[in-house]
Amino acid sequence: SYALTQPPSVSVAPGQTATISCGGDDIGSKSVHWYQQKPGQAPVLVVDNDGDRPSGIPERLSGSKSGNTATLTISRVEAGDEAAYYCQQWHSGSDHVVFGGGTKLTVL
Amino acid sequence: EVQLVESGGGLVKSGGSLRLSCSASGLTFNTYMMNWVRQAPGKGLEWVSAISTSSSYIYYADSVKGRFTVSRDNARKSLYLQLNNLRADDTAVYYCATSGRGYEEAFEYWGQGTLVTVSS
Repeated sequence: SYALTQPPSVSVAPGQTATISCGGDDIGSKSVHWYQQKPGQAPVLVVDNDGDRPSGIPERLSGSKSGNTATLTISRVEAGDEAAYYCQQWHSGSDHVVFGGGTKLTVL
Repeated sequence: EVQLVESGGGLVKSGGSLRLSCSASGLTFNTYMMNWVRQAPGKGLEWVSAISTSSSYIYYADSVKGRFTVSRDNARKSLYLQLNNLRADDTAVYYCATSGRGYEEAFEYWGQGTLVTVSS
C-alpha cells in the first residue's frame, strides 16, 4: 500500500531553520498538505496544496515539493513551534487518504 | 466560527459496538466532504473514512472496511461513524474533519475528538 515517509524526529536550536521531509513514490501526482499537532490538541492545517498557507499561519512556515519529496520548512524556529508535524495526501490509486508517520520537532 | 463537536466515545468490550457523532456549525455542511481520522495513544494520525457531500461516494481504510460504516445527515449537519466488531487496536481518539469539495483537498477544520477505548 502507498506510504508517506517522514523522519521520526528533528531537533533545531531557536532561531535556526527546521526542515521536515515527506517522501512518497507518487507524491508528485497530488497535492501535499501539512499539519501541526501539539500534545492534547487536534491537528491544525499549516500548509495546503504543497505550499499555500491558510489564514493566520506565520510566513515562517513554508512548503515545497520536488521529485518524490515534499518539504516543510520552518524558519526562525521558536519554542512554540515544538510539536508533531504530519504530511498528508490523497492517493488516487487506492482511493485512500494517507498520512505520514509524523515528525516530532524538538526546539533545543 | 466553525465548530465540529464529536460525541459517542467511551469504553466498550472487544467485539462490541459504538456510534460516534460529529455535529457541525458555522459552515455550509452540505458543501463539505467529511472524514474520520483516528489517533491511537502515543501514535500518529490514521485516516479512517471519507464521505462525499451527497453520500454518493464513501471510502474506508483497509483496517476498518467491513466493520465501520460512515453516514451523514445534511439536514441535521451531522456526521456519523458506526463502529462494529471492535478490537483492542481500534482504541484511539476519533476526530471528524472537513476536506472541502474534493478528495485532494486539505482537512481544514477538525473537531476536538472523542476517545474510544476497547477492552479485551
